[in-house]
Amino acid sequence: GQNIDQPTEMTATEGAIVQINCTYQTSGFNGLFWYQQHAGEAPTFLSYNVLDGLEEKGRFSSFLSRSKGYSYLLLKELQMKDSASYLCAVRDQNNFNKFYFGSGTKLNVKP
Amino acid sequence: DAGVTQSPTHLIKTRGQQVTLRCSPKSGHDTVSWYQQALGQGPQFIFQYYEEEERQRGNFPDRFSGHQFPNYSSELNVNALLLGDSALYLCASSAVAVTEAFFGQGTRLTVV
Repeated sequence: GQNIDQPTEMTATEGAIVQINCTYQTSGFNGLFWYQQHAGEAPTFLSYNVLDGLEEKGRFSSFLSRSKGYSYLLLKELQMKDSASYLCAVRDQNNFNKFYFGSGTKLNVKP
Repeated sequence: DAGVTQSPTHLIKTRGQQVTLRCSPKSGHDTVSWYQQALGQGPQFIFQYYEEEERQRGNFPDRFSGHQFPNYSSELNVNALLLGDSALYLCASSAVAVTEAFFGQGTRLTVV
Protein backbone atom coordinates (compact mmCIF):
# COMPACT_ATOMS: atom_id res chain seq x y z
CA GLY A 1 0.00 0.00 0.00
CA GLN A 2 0.86 3.63 -0.22
CA ASN A 3 0.97 5.90 2.80
CA ILE A 4 1.82 9.58 2.58
CA ASP A 5 1.53 11.77 5.66
CA GLN A 6 1.67 15.52 6.03
CA PRO A 7 0.27 17.91 8.64
CA THR A 8 -3.31 18.96 8.10
CA GLU A 9 -2.89 22.66 8.70
CA MET A 10 -0.21 25.22 9.52
CA THR A 11 -0.20 28.95 10.20
CA ALA A 12 2.67 31.34 9.60
CA THR A 13 3.27 35.07 9.42
CA GLU A 14 3.87 37.11 6.29
CA GLY A 15 7.61 37.47 5.65
CA ALA A 16 8.51 34.42 7.72
CA ILE A 17 9.81 30.98 6.70
CA VAL A 18 7.72 27.82 6.96
CA GLN A 19 8.62 24.17 6.51
CA ILE A 20 6.00 21.62 5.50
CA ASN A 21 7.01 18.03 6.17
CA CYS A 22 5.98 14.90 4.32
CA THR A 23 6.74 11.29 5.15
CA TYR A 24 6.00 8.43 2.81
CA GLN A 25 5.91 4.67 2.71
CA THR A 26 5.31 3.44 -0.82
CA SER A 27 5.91 0.18 -2.64
CA GLY A 28 7.90 2.01 -5.31
CA PHE A 29 9.40 5.43 -5.86
CA ASN A 30 10.06 7.53 -8.93
CA GLY A 31 10.25 11.03 -7.56
CA LEU A 32 8.58 13.19 -4.97
CA PHE A 33 6.55 16.17 -6.09
CA TRP A 34 5.09 19.19 -4.39
CA TYR A 35 1.99 20.87 -5.76
CA GLN A 36 0.26 24.05 -4.63
CA GLN A 37 -3.52 24.18 -4.75
CA HIS A 38 -5.58 27.28 -4.09
CA ALA A 39 -9.17 26.67 -3.07
CA GLY A 40 -11.27 25.61 -6.05
CA GLU A 41 -8.32 25.64 -8.43
CA ALA A 42 -6.06 23.12 -10.12
CA PRO A 43 -2.94 21.88 -8.38
CA THR A 44 0.12 23.60 -9.84
CA PHE A 45 3.59 22.10 -9.87
CA LEU A 46 6.13 23.56 -7.45
CA SER A 47 9.10 21.22 -7.24
CA TYR A 48 10.41 17.75 -7.83
CA ASN A 49 13.09 15.61 -6.16
CA VAL A 50 14.27 12.24 -7.37
CA LEU A 51 17.69 12.22 -5.70
CA ASP A 52 18.55 13.03 -2.08
CA GLY A 53 19.24 16.62 -1.29
CA LEU A 54 17.90 20.09 -1.67
CA GLU A 55 16.33 21.63 -4.78
CA GLU A 56 15.91 25.40 -4.76
CA LYS A 57 13.54 27.39 -6.95
CA GLY A 58 13.30 31.00 -5.92
CA ARG A 59 11.40 31.31 -2.64
CA PHE A 60 10.64 27.60 -2.65
CA SER A 61 13.00 24.76 -1.78
CA SER A 62 12.34 21.06 -1.42
CA PHE A 63 14.43 18.42 0.31
CA LEU A 64 14.40 14.66 -0.03
CA SER A 65 15.84 11.80 1.98
CA ARG A 66 14.94 8.51 0.31
CA SER A 67 16.41 6.38 3.08
CA LYS A 68 14.17 8.09 5.62
CA GLY A 69 11.12 8.37 3.38
CA TYR A 70 11.04 12.06 4.16
CA SER A 71 10.68 15.32 2.31
CA TYR A 72 9.99 18.90 3.18
CA LEU A 73 8.94 22.00 1.32
CA LEU A 74 10.47 25.25 2.54
CA LEU A 75 8.78 28.52 1.74
CA LYS A 76 10.72 31.72 2.40
CA GLU A 77 9.61 35.34 2.60
CA LEU A 78 6.01 34.26 2.92
CA GLN A 79 3.41 36.29 1.08
CA MET A 80 -0.34 36.39 1.61
CA LYS A 81 -0.82 34.72 -1.78
CA ASP A 82 1.02 31.66 -0.45
CA SER A 83 -2.10 30.80 1.56
CA ALA A 84 -3.11 27.53 -0.11
CA SER A 85 -2.98 23.77 0.29
CA TYR A 86 0.33 22.07 -0.40
CA LEU A 87 0.19 18.53 -1.73
CA CYS A 88 3.02 16.05 -1.37
CA ALA A 89 2.93 13.33 -4.02
CA VAL A 90 5.02 10.28 -4.87
CA ARG A 91 5.16 9.19 -8.49
CA ASP A 92 4.52 5.54 -9.25
CA GLN A 93 7.63 3.55 -10.03
CA ASN A 94 6.28 2.23 -13.32
CA ASN A 95 3.87 4.91 -14.46
CA PHE A 96 5.09 8.47 -15.01
CA ASN A 97 1.62 9.96 -14.89
CA LYS A 98 0.35 8.21 -11.77
CA PHE A 99 0.81 9.89 -8.41
CA TYR A 100 -0.01 9.01 -4.82
CA PHE A 101 -1.00 12.14 -2.94
CA GLY A 102 -1.04 13.04 0.70
CA SER A 103 -4.13 14.76 2.08
CA GLY A 104 -2.52 18.16 1.75
CA THR A 105 -1.38 20.80 4.23
CA LYS A 106 -3.47 23.93 4.40
CA LEU A 107 -1.17 26.87 4.98
CA ASN A 108 -2.64 30.05 6.42
CA VAL A 109 -0.45 33.13 6.08
CA LYS A 110 -1.44 35.94 8.42
CA PRO A 111 -0.37 39.61 8.25
CA ASP B 1 -0.93 27.23 -24.81
CA ALA B 2 -4.33 26.61 -23.23
CA GLY B 3 -3.02 24.07 -20.76
CA VAL B 4 -5.32 21.32 -19.54
CA THR B 5 -8.98 22.26 -19.88
CA GLN B 6 -11.94 20.53 -18.28
CA SER B 7 -15.66 20.93 -18.71
CA PRO B 8 -18.01 21.62 -17.16
CA THR B 9 -16.58 23.45 -14.14
CA HIS B 10 -19.55 22.67 -11.91
CA LEU B 11 -22.29 20.09 -12.11
CA ILE B 12 -25.19 19.04 -9.92
CA LYS B 13 -26.72 15.61 -10.43
CA THR B 14 -29.28 13.44 -8.65
CA ARG B 15 -28.52 10.05 -7.15
CA GLY B 16 -28.80 7.29 -9.73
CA GLN B 17 -28.07 9.56 -12.67
CA GLN B 18 -25.14 9.31 -15.03
CA VAL B 19 -22.53 12.00 -15.72
CA THR B 20 -19.85 12.64 -18.34
CA LEU B 21 -16.87 14.88 -17.66
CA ARG B 22 -14.48 16.04 -20.36
CA CYS B 23 -10.78 16.86 -20.52
CA SER B 24 -8.50 18.27 -23.20
CA PRO B 25 -4.82 17.70 -22.41
CA LYS B 26 -2.05 20.21 -22.74
CA SER B 27 -0.68 20.52 -26.26
CA GLY B 28 1.89 17.82 -26.94
CA HIS B 29 0.66 15.52 -24.16
CA ASP B 30 -0.72 12.11 -25.03
CA THR B 31 -1.43 10.60 -21.61
CA VAL B 32 -4.42 11.53 -19.48
CA SER B 33 -5.08 10.47 -15.91
CA TRP B 34 -8.21 11.14 -13.89
CA TYR B 35 -8.27 11.81 -10.16
CA GLN B 36 -11.04 12.20 -7.61
CA GLN B 37 -10.46 14.73 -4.83
CA ALA B 38 -12.89 14.65 -1.93
CA LEU B 39 -13.14 17.73 0.24
CA GLY B 40 -10.09 18.05 2.48
CA GLN B 41 -8.33 15.11 0.88
CA GLY B 42 -5.63 14.64 -1.69
CA PRO B 43 -6.43 13.48 -5.22
CA GLN B 44 -7.00 9.73 -5.66
CA PHE B 45 -6.04 8.03 -8.94
CA ILE B 46 -9.03 6.70 -10.88
CA PHE B 47 -7.49 5.54 -14.16
CA GLN B 48 -5.21 6.50 -16.99
CA TYR B 49 -5.58 6.57 -20.77
CA TYR B 50 -2.87 6.29 -23.36
CA GLU B 51 -3.25 5.45 -27.05
CA GLU B 52 -7.03 5.35 -26.55
CA GLU B 53 -6.82 2.50 -24.05
CA GLU B 54 -7.18 2.31 -20.29
CA ARG B 55 -3.69 1.48 -19.10
CA GLN B 56 -4.03 1.41 -15.36
CA ARG B 57 -6.85 1.66 -12.89
CA GLY B 58 -7.07 2.66 -9.26
CA ASN B 59 -9.40 1.27 -6.63
CA PHE B 60 -12.66 2.50 -8.14
CA PRO B 61 -15.74 0.48 -9.09
CA ASP B 62 -16.81 -0.29 -12.63
CA ARG B 63 -19.35 2.53 -12.42
CA PHE B 64 -16.39 4.69 -13.34
CA SER B 65 -15.42 4.34 -16.98
CA GLY B 66 -13.65 6.43 -19.53
CA HIS B 67 -12.58 6.96 -23.04
CA GLN B 68 -9.78 8.62 -24.95
CA PHE B 69 -10.18 10.01 -28.44
CA PRO B 70 -7.64 10.15 -31.29
CA ASN B 71 -6.91 13.80 -30.45
CA TYR B 72 -5.94 12.66 -26.90
CA SER B 73 -8.93 14.29 -25.23
CA SER B 74 -10.70 12.14 -22.69
CA GLU B 75 -14.02 11.58 -20.98
CA LEU B 76 -14.84 10.24 -17.55
CA ASN B 77 -18.25 8.62 -17.14
CA VAL B 78 -19.83 7.77 -13.83
CA ASN B 79 -23.03 5.69 -13.73
CA ALA B 80 -25.55 5.20 -10.94
CA LEU B 81 -24.27 8.20 -9.03
CA LEU B 82 -24.00 8.00 -5.25
CA LEU B 83 -23.85 10.83 -2.76
CA GLY B 84 -20.26 9.78 -2.05
CA ASP B 85 -19.29 10.54 -5.63
CA SER B 86 -19.51 14.25 -4.81
CA ALA B 87 -15.96 15.55 -5.29
CA LEU B 88 -13.63 17.57 -7.45
CA TYR B 89 -12.62 15.54 -10.49
CA LEU B 90 -9.22 16.41 -11.84
CA CYS B 91 -7.66 15.55 -15.15
CA ALA B 92 -3.88 15.45 -15.46
CA SER B 93 -1.94 15.23 -18.67
CA SER B 94 1.64 14.33 -19.35
CA ALA B 95 3.98 12.71 -21.84
CA VAL B 96 7.02 10.48 -21.63
CA ALA B 97 9.56 13.30 -21.82
CA VAL B 98 7.70 15.55 -19.39
CA THR B 99 8.74 15.59 -15.73
CA GLU B 100 5.55 16.72 -14.05
CA ALA B 101 1.87 16.23 -14.66
CA PHE B 102 -0.24 19.26 -15.48
CA PHE B 103 -3.67 19.45 -13.93
CA GLY B 104 -6.86 21.00 -15.19
CA GLN B 105 -8.96 23.22 -12.95
CA GLY B 106 -11.30 20.35 -12.25
CA THR B 107 -15.01 19.66 -12.38
CA ARG B 108 -16.87 20.08 -9.11
CA LEU B 109 -19.55 17.36 -9.05
CA THR B 110 -22.30 17.54 -6.46
CA VAL B 111 -24.69 14.61 -6.13
CA VAL B 112 -27.95 15.34 -4.30
